[in-house]
Amino acid sequence: DTGVSQNPRHKITKRGQNVTFRCDPISEHNRLYWYRQTLGQGPEFLTYFQNEAQLEKSRLLSDRFSAERPKGSFSTLEIQRTEQGDSAMYLCASSFHPEPDQETQYFGPGTRLLVL
Amino acid sequence: RKEVEQDPGPFNVPEGATVAFNCTYSNSASQSFFWYRQDCRKEPKLLMSVYSSGNEDGRFTAQLNRASQYISLLIRDSKLSDSATYLCVVNDYNKLIFGAGTRLAVHP
Repeated sequence: DTGVSQNPRHKITKRGQNVTFRCDPISEHNRLYWYRQTLGQGPEFLTYFQNEAQLEKSRLLSDRFSAERPKGSFSTLEIQRTEQGDSAMYLCASSFHPEPDQETQYFGPGTRLLVL
Repeated sequence: RKEVEQDPGPFNVPEGATVAFNCTYSNSASQSFFWYRQDCRKEPKLLMSVYSSGNEDGRFTAQLNRASQYISLLIRDSKLSDSATYLCVVNDYNKLIFGAGTRLAVHP
């Protein structure tokens, strides 16, 4: 499978614990994005990387959240001191930039987080 | 005002019906537009890009009206397998801004 992969697919944790998610983008894609989706809403942008550089972070990304893409390939998203409000689906997407036509982001299956 | 607004539905239609979804966006500087489809508890998948000239892909037709900041999706001859949530998406300086989605349920 050459699509975007994410691990784990599901995570249940207790409030106050730290969690880390991993995303492996499509191999030739240089851009990687993180989004968060809650029930009944569309995905919301969190942050994105071009190669290893983090180019933008949303105001949704509090200081408890950190994302890395150290070698410009896979990325990790860590949430420290989780809160119940962090419960959501965390989606990763990748794209190739620049794209001659409209740049398309392809999504992974997501990591579903439940904070108890 | 939300950046991308859609009617949440649900739209309940019989097989074979034609159904249209509309979407408005607030940033007049937006350059790229898309419709994504999302099945229950799955990731969004690109359905089609939306171009100013309008574009068609089989039973699906997308239209963009930049002056009115309005995007539409028309589905002809609905199939049971079209049941899903349809997300209107605007590319805003490299990040995607999603509407909350419109739910479609196609019944026999």
